[in-house]
Amino acid sequence: DADVTQTPRNRITKTGKRIMLECSQTKGHDRMYWYRQDPGLGLRLIYYSFDVKDINKGEISDGYSVSRQAQAKFSLSLESAIPNQTALYFCATSRANTGELFFGEGSRLTVL
Amino acid sequence: SQELEQSPQSLIVQEGKNLTINCTSSKTLYGLYWYKQKYGEGLIFLMMLQKGGEEKSHEKITAKLDEKKQQSSLHITASQPSHAGIYLCGADYTGANSKLTFGKGITLSVRP
Repeated sequence: DADVTQTPRNRITKTGKRIMLECSQTKGHDRMYWYRQDPGLGLRLIYYSFDVKDINKGEISDGYSVSRQAQAKFSLSLESAIPNQTALYFCATSRANTGELFFGEGSRLTVL
Repeated sequence: SQELEQSPQSLIVQEGKNLTINCTSSKTLYGLYWYKQKYGEGLIFLMMLQKGGEEKSHEKITAKLDEKKQQSSLHITASQPSHAGIYLCGADYTGANSKLTFGKGITLSVRP
C-alpha cells in the first residue's frame, strides 16, 4: 500500500460544484501539503499544515480551503469549482525540518 | 517573475549519452532539492544539497550546488530509458527546511 494515498485519483465535475480531495498518510509525518501542477507552470503550493492545529496558506490559496482532521488526514476543498481549477493535485508529507517531501500519486481534476 | 528557472525546458538524448540539466535561482538558496516525476505520477525525491560547492551522487546521477548557492546542475551519465521523466528542482528559501518553491521542470526523453 502507498504511504501517501489520495482519493479520488480522477474526477470530472461541473462549474459551481463542491469538490473534496482527500489525502491520508501512514508515514507518521506531522507536515502535510497540497500542491497543484499545471503544464508550463510547474508545481505550486496551495496550503500546508505543520501539525493538526496549524494551517497556512500557500502561494495560490484563493478558491480553496483545507481541513486537517488528524495527523494522518489532510483534505482539500473547492467550494465552487471553476474551469481554471482543472489541474493535477498532489498531496505531500514531510518530517519536521526537512524539505524531503513524500508525494501521493496525484488527483486529476477536470472542471467543465 | 520566476524565482527558480530550469533549463533546458526539455531534452531528448540517445541512450548511453551523458546529459546535464540546470536549476538557477534569483536569490541565495538555503537548500536545493531534486525530484523526478514519471508522467502523471507523484514526485520521487532524488537528492538534497545545502552547502556551497556540495556534490552528491546516486547511481548514475550527480548533483552539484555552486559556491554561491544559486545554481545547481544535475548530470546523468550513460543515460537509460529509465531516466526519462520530468526533473524538478525545489528551493528552500527560508532556511527552515519547510515549504519548497519548485521550478517548472525539465522533460527528459531517452531514445533507445
